[in-house]
Amino acid sequence: AQTVTQSQPEMSVQEAETVTLSCTYDTSESDYYLFWYKQPPSRQMILVIRQEAYKQQNATENRFSVNFQKAAKSFSLKISDSQLGDAAMYFCAYSPNAGKSTFGDGTTLTVKP
Amino acid sequence: GAVVSQHPSRVICKSGTSVKIECRSLDFQATTMFWYRQFPKQSLMLMATSNEGSKATYEQGVEKDKFLINHASLTLSTLTVTSAHPEDSSFYICSAGSGGGTKETQYFGPGTRLLVL
Repeated sequence: AQTVTQSQPEMSVQEAETVTLSCTYDTSESDYYLFWYKQPPSRQMILVIRQEAYKQQNATENRFSVNFQKAAKSFSLKISDSQLGDAAMYFCAYSPNAGKSTFGDGTTLTVKP
Repeated sequence: GAVVSQHPSRVICKSGTSVKIECRSLDFQATTMFWYRQFPKQSLMLMATSNEGSKATYEQGVEKDKFLINHASLTLSTLTVTSAHPEDSSFYICSAGSGGGTKETQYFGPGTRLLVL
């Protein structure tokens, strides 16, 4: 079974600074998808970034970028120029086919003004 | 992006009653939808895969007779919690895929908060 591990239950960052959230996963598949989702207090899940395992290039979305290390099964999220609105719970997720997903336990990010 | 709605957003019911939660894809068709359960400050746990026109696929440990899933159309899946008990109180979230194949992206509903008294 696939597992997703987020080793940082909580992280904090100063506004305008950079923070990296860690995620590791376990799978025997060679093709799969990885995601980072943001869940603000409203609890609406918002897709932050997506990475397809067959793509070597790290995905980026504006201030959000990932460091995807396939051999190490590591998928970290870097948030640059952190903003107060980035404060939320962040979930790393694995999916074998972009359908159902296995989620990590989440990292609560606090942004300090 | 695509929109997924859930209704109701919150519901309070008495122990022993049944509660139905709807998940709709508003501007796309979804042959498959997923139902998750989330306890406070915890992760999302997949409960079942809802398949349009066929039986749902339940994850290990999820009682199919307690959590009835019906996916009658390409835009609607329902989750019915039967004979609800206080331990069923939770946040239920659905997701539906749009795009298909390698381009598929899951869009999540806003969730339904269930409180069983």
